[in-house]
Amino acid sequence: GDSVTQTEGPVTVSESESLIINCTYSATSIAYPNLFWYVRYPGEGLQLLLKVITAGQKGSSRGFEATYNKETTSFHLQKASVQESDSAVYYCALGNYAQGLTFGLGTRVSVFP
Amino acid sequence: AQTIHQWPVAEIKAVGSPLSLGCTIKGKSSPNLYWYWQATGGTLQQLFYSITVGQVESVVQLNLSASRPKDDQFILSTEKLLLSHSGFYLCAWSQDWGGDAEQFFGPGTRLTVL
Repeated sequence: GDSVTQTEGPVTVSESESLIINCTYSATSIAYPNLFWYVRYPGEGLQLLLKVITAGQKGSSRGFEATYNKETTSFHLQKASVQESDSAVYYCALGNYAQGLTFGLGTRVSVFP
Repeated sequence: AQTIHQWPVAEIKAVGSPLSLGCTIKGKSSPNLYWYWQATGGTLQQLFYSITVGQVESVVQLNLSASRPKDDQFILSTEKLLLSHSGFYLCAWSQDWGGDAEQFFGPGTRLTVL
């Protein structure tokens, strides 16, 4: 079946430093799945951060970026300069037509001032 | 604006007891509905989805069942809980159907089975 592997947390980073969360996927049910990053901020529900449905394209939101690389089957999430408000749990996910979303384990990120 | 409500917020139940978790979506007609489950330390797994009232499809078998009695309501249940049912249950909805559809999640229900 489909699977998603992402950076194991927790990840601790200082404010204004850069952040990268690695995500690789294996899609057996579909050649080019849709790729998502979801985020859960403390005390809030899971919400979409960004998505990319076309290989080679880049998605961005709230200063985060992720590029859909079909050669390396990766969708790494990056931010050049994090803020304390970026502390959250980040989930990489894969979507195909019939089976909905397949999530990674999630990466807890803590940003310290 | 659409809102999604789950109940209860948390539940502690005995092995072998019945369970019913609920989810209601307001402000959106004919949503696609989903149930997810996350064991402690595990990933979110999709359990069920429903495209229309009265129709529910199972994705993962966990000795659970789901029903959609109304357009805006999704129920997850079992007659006999197992220890392995402990975890975090999330309900979600989407407007579009397909692998690129954004899903909107509820706050979740934490279930502890003793």
